[in-house]
Order: sequence, then C-alpha cells, then structure tokens
Amino acid sequence: GENVEQHPSTLSVQEGDSAVIKCTYSDSASNYFPWYKQELGKGPQLIIDIRSNVGEKKDQRIAVTLNKTAKHFSLHITETQPEDSAVYFCAAESKGNTPLVFGKGTRLSVIA
Amino acid sequence: ETGVTQTPRHLVMGMTNKKSLKCEQHLGHNAMYWYKQSAKKPLELMFVYNFKEQTENNSVPSRFSPECPNSSHLFLHLHTLQPEDSALYLCASSPDFGSYEQYFGPGTRLTVT
Repeated sequence: GENVEQHPSTLSVQEGDSAVIKCTYSDSASNYFPWYKQELGKGPQLIIDIRSNVGEKKDQRIAVTLNKTAKHFSLHITETQPEDSAVYFCAAESKGNTPLVFGKGTRLSVIA
Repeated sequence: ETGVTQTPRHLVMGMTNKKSLKCEQHLGHNAMYWYKQSAKKPLELMFVYNFKEQTENNSVPSRFSPECPNSSHLFLHLHTLQPEDSALYLCASSPDFGSYEQYFGPGTRLTVT
C-alpha cells in the first residue's frame, strides 16, 4: 500500500521568509496529492492540491510542485506571515481501501 | 467553514460510559469518513461510508461502532473505551469515494478517564 513520508516535523521561519515542506510517496500509481493546514482547535483544511498531469500549481503565496519520477512533492509558502503558523499535512491518493494516506505533519512557526 | 459540523466539540467520559459522536455534512457529498488523530501520529482512517454503505473498517476495535443513517449524517457510538482512545476524532466527507478532496469537520476532542 501507499506510504507517505513528510519532512521536516517542525519548521521555524522568520516572517517574510519562505517555507518548504517535502513529502515522498511509494505508490507510482498515485495521481492526487492534497495539502492540508490545521490550526489549533480546528480540523484540517484543504489549501491546495495537485494531480499528476501537472508539475506545479500556484495559488497566491502557496505553490505545490510534483516530481512523479522521483515520487516526491513539496509545498512552498512565500512571504510567510504569522497566520501561516499551523500544522501542515501532505497526503497521497491510495489505490487501496484507504483513499488518502497522510504524512505525519509539519508544525510551522512563523516568527514575527 | 467547510460545511462539515461535528458535535460535541469536547467530551470527557469514563471507561464504562456510552456516548455518541455526531457528524453532519451540508455539501451533498456521497462519502463520509471517521479519522482518529493522536499526537505525533498520522491521521488514522477508521471507517468509510460510500452512499451509506460501509466500505472500510480498518481493524477498529468493536468498542467503536459507526452508523450512517443517510449520506448527510454519520455517528460514532462509543462504549467501554480505554484511556488510549483519548484523541481528536475527525469526520470528513468527499464527493465520492476515491481521489477526491476531503473536507474535514472541526473534530471532537475525546478524553477517556
């Protein structure tokens, strides 16, 4: 089945700097890769996703890149702000009975 | 908000109690999910319902019992839980089962004493 590894587990950046979170997956048949942001006391919220027919997708300060050959994808946040502080989860589609397999999460702290 | 609501938001129960968690989605989705979120662990999928039919039970102990009366409502009935069951229980929905984005509720923070 699908296995997703996420790094780093914690990340601290200065406000205004960029943050990058990386994930690898094991199943080459996976085609859908969402990213979720979870703020304290809330459920995970979908912030961006990418399908395997594209290599990059952007939405304002957030971008995701996908390298299907290497089986890794990354989340890039530019011009970070304190409100970007949260736990971020990557996930990959699984062809088994579990439709999405999640990484363990990255706790991002943006220091003002 | 995402259109997925969960009640209660917080629950403290003894090991001999029986309680239920409720989830409701207003998105017209056909698939609903229960996840368990514990500290420093990936999200653990517990149950999946597709068109009200349970399609997945990831070896969840029988002290957790799901119920899906219709495609908008999902329950998780709890009885004789253990302290290690304390966690955040998240409900999610998606348009259909498969490679579709999942929308999560705010979760129920469960503490078993």
